[in-house]
Amino acid sequence: DADVTQTPRNRITKTGKRIMLECSQTKGHDRMYWYRQDPGLGLRLIYYSFDVKDINKGEISDGYSVSRQAQAKFSLSLESAIPNQTALYFCATSGNLAGEFEETQYFGPGTRLLVL
Amino acid sequence: QKEVEQNSGPLSVPEGAIASLNCTYSDRVSQSFFWYRQYSGKSPELIMSIYSNGDKEDGRFTAQLNKASQYVSLLIRDSQPSDSATYLCAVSGGYNKLIFGAGTRLAVHP
Repeated sequence: DADVTQTPRNRITKTGKRIMLECSQTKGHDRMYWYRQDPGLGLRLIYYSFDVKDINKGEISDGYSVSRQAQAKFSLSLESAIPNQTALYFCATSGNLAGEFEETQYFGPGTRLLVL
Repeated sequence: QKEVEQNSGPLSVPEGAIASLNCTYSDRVSQSFFWYRQYSGKSPELIMSIYSNGDKEDGRFTAQLNKASQYVSLLIRDSQPSDSATYLCAVSGGYNKLIFGAGTRLAVHP
């Protein structure tokens, strides 16, 4: 089974709708991240969390919110979706487990979102 | 603003050749450097990490780091068509965050 999972894998929604993207991990990592990827722009950090009680904005947090429901779960919400939020969204995790370097990030399979 | 620069490519190399991918970064205090491979429509996959100046080899892959010149490179020996992908350079940005370059697209042709 995959260590980092994301649901849904694909989503089409309309402008103004609220949607939630979910991420779960079984790696035992304490740190979780949400990125979006647009063609030619690379990965841009939306939000990150180092602990259930620690949530931080990334470089492009406007229009997004997150919830860290448990150490293993980190959800991203678009309160009122707009077309320029059409992108590929990735969840990632990192941790300080034995044998790992804590800055190494491991990615989920991604969610392809289309806002009409 | 901290930046990571990569040539977008595509870098086209024949099968069996050495592919050389380069990355420069702006933050002198960065300590950790990563190369990820990303196939089209898939998630980034870690290939190499490097923390010290010099070379680090893993199979057909060699990462090279020069902190004084603020660049990191990835060499792929005996390139195969299956190596065709986008390669992302990532640099530590403090507070356990990574800053990613936009990626270099590599095409290995038979």
